[in-house]
This record gives sequence, structure tokens and C-alpha cells, in this order.
Amino acid sequence: DIQMTQSPSAMSASVGDRVTITCRASQGINNYLAWFQQKPGKVPKRLIYGSSSLQSGVPSRFSGSGSGTEFTLTISNLQPEDFATYYCLQHDTYPWTFGQGTKVEIK
Amino acid sequence: EVQLVESGGGLEQPGRSLRLSCTTSGFSFDDYAMNWVRQAPGKGLEWAGFIRSKAYGGTAEYAASVKGRFIISRDDSKSIAYLQMNSLKTEDTAVYYCTRSRAAAGPDNFDYWGQGTLVTVSS
Repeated sequence: DIQMTQSPSAMSASVGDRVTITCRASQGINNYLAWFQQKPGKVPKRLIYGSSSLQSGVPSRFSGSGSGTEFTLTISNLQPEDFATYYCLQHDTYPWTFGQGTKVEIK
Repeated sequence: EVQLVESGGGLEQPGRSLRLSCTTSGFSFDDYAMNWVRQAPGKGLEWAGFIRSKAYGGTAEYAASVKGRFIISRDDSKSIAYLQMNSLKTEDTAVYYCTRSRAAAGPDNFDYWGQGTLVTVSS
């Protein structure tokens, strides 16, 4: 199975900060990577697909990059509504696997 | 409007069975694979499995944690995907979501999710 190692597992940040979350795959996954945001008690919301394509309607402060085995989600100018848990998902090789999540909290 | 609605969750005893449904509307159901993703209380997301569209054989893939116990099926005439959960274990306790996907890394993957249905396995 492909392991998705997501880091950090949690972080504290302030409004206006630039936040970077990384997912490393145990083997190459092409660009079959998506990023999701989940708030407590809510359904996961897709932010990025194809490793770097922004979901329609998602603010442009969210961006994705990377290829092969290393991928990054960047939130520039962090806003109050961005405090949430973020997950990556690889859907290149079965079983598809999520990262363990990154909880972004208010500093 | 694309909609996915899960149903069938509830409290069940270990060793028993439960069937979840994912009723969809607003898109061409038979063009999509359908996934089941679960989330145990306070834990992260776990992909449980999916079923391909008939165009890709209509076969299913499963996570190791559910393989041999869970069966995913689909009824394209009703636009419904099912998750048959057998030999339930306490560790199957989770909110179960359905979400759609298609081949390649395009925009039609995991873009819509149901609201989830809670399955509690306890004696």
C-alpha cells in the first residue's frame, strides 16, 4: 500500500500567516492527489485536484504543488474560516489512501 | 443539482450486518465510480472502497480493513450505490460517506460528498 505521510500533524498559526502542509507518498503517484478541508462535524470539502488544480469556488489563497512523491498545500494570508483539518488523498494506486490529517489551529 | 444522500446507518451488534445506501441525483450516475469513505469518531478519513462504472467493468476494490467483509454494489437504474457490511466489528464504528469519482486526475473526483451516515457497532 502507498503510505501518505502528512506533516505537520498539527500547527498553530495566526490570521494573515502563510501555511504550508506537506504530503509525502511512499512511491510515485503521478498527479493523482487531492486536498480536502474538513471542519468539525462537517463533510470534507475538496480544495485541490490533480495536485495543483483549484476547485471552482475555492479562494485563490489556496494552492497546491508537487509531483512524484512530494506534494504541498499552501494557504497564503490565512483567514479565520481556514482553521480546520486538512487531508491529502492519493488515488493513483489501490487502496487509495489519505494522509493522517493536519489540524490548523488559531495561535 | 448534484446530490448524494446516505442512509441505513444505526446501531448494530458485533457480528451482525448492515446495508448502507447512497442515493444520488443530478448527474449521470452510470458514468461514475462510487466510493465509500469512513471516519471513526475523532479520527481521520479512511477510504473503504469503491465500485467502478459499468463501462470499466463494474468491479470493486476494498481497503484491507474491510476486504472480505464489505461488499459494494450499484444499481444504475436507480442511481444508488450500496455498502453491504457483514461481520461487523466495533472498529467499524464511524460516519460513512459516499463520494463520486472518475478515471484520471480530473475535476470529477471526490467533488461531491453525501452528508454521511453514522454506524455504531456495539453490544
